[in-house]
Amino acid sequence: GQNIDQPTEMTATEGAIVQINCTYQTSGFNGLFWYQQHAGEAPTFLSYNVLDGLEEKGRFSSFLSRSKGYSYLLLKELQMKDSASYLCALMDSNYQLIWGAGTKLIIKP
Amino acid sequence: SQTIHQWPATLVQPVGSPLSLECTVEGTSNPNLYWYRQAAGRGLQLLFYSVGIGQISSEVPQNLSASRPQDRQFILSSKKLLLSDSGFYLCACRTGTGDSGELFFGEGSRLTVL
Repeated sequence: GQNIDQPTEMTATEGAIVQINCTYQTSGFNGLFWYQQHAGEAPTFLSYNVLDGLEEKGRFSSFLSRSKGYSYLLLKELQMKDSASYLCALMDSNYQLIWGAGTKLIIKP
Repeated sequence: SQTIHQWPATLVQPVGSPLSLECTVEGTSNPNLYWYRQAAGRGLQLLFYSVGIGQISSEVPQNLSASRPQDRQFILSSKKLLLSDSGFYLCACRTGTGDSGELFFGEGSRLTVL
């Protein structure tokens, strides 16, 4: 079967760096997505990793290790607007997305 | 780029009443379309997906149904709502080359069944 784990909630300080981890177990893998979801809104795409390594996009970076079943999202220079839930999603062998429950990130001044 | 319109944004319905949520997509053709439900503190649950007109795949047994009468229209329905149908419903569209394209979401519809 498939399983995705990510922390339920994290707190960080404005201007700091935070790393949100995601671990998964799957028999088939076609990539891993990170989405951002503000309260009451739809998720928006942040990143997609299918090969091992780090993908950087401005203040956000995403890392993947397929052998370890592990990914993380790194947010730098945190801003208050980064307060949101961050969803990790695994694309399985049928190209369907399996979603984690999300990590609620709280940014404090 | 594609745009997804979803309505209504919010609705409160009594148990046993019917439901119809609509989703339309602009800026792309022959998209894969999806209906998800998100309960508080839980991951997105795939309800239905469609690869073309009239083609619907159901992921979970329930009292909901979906239809795709046109290429860029996806409708979620119920004849009789249950309390457990309350949640945040999201329509999504997949674009990009191959099957690994990212999902784009509509604005969502928050349903409260009383």
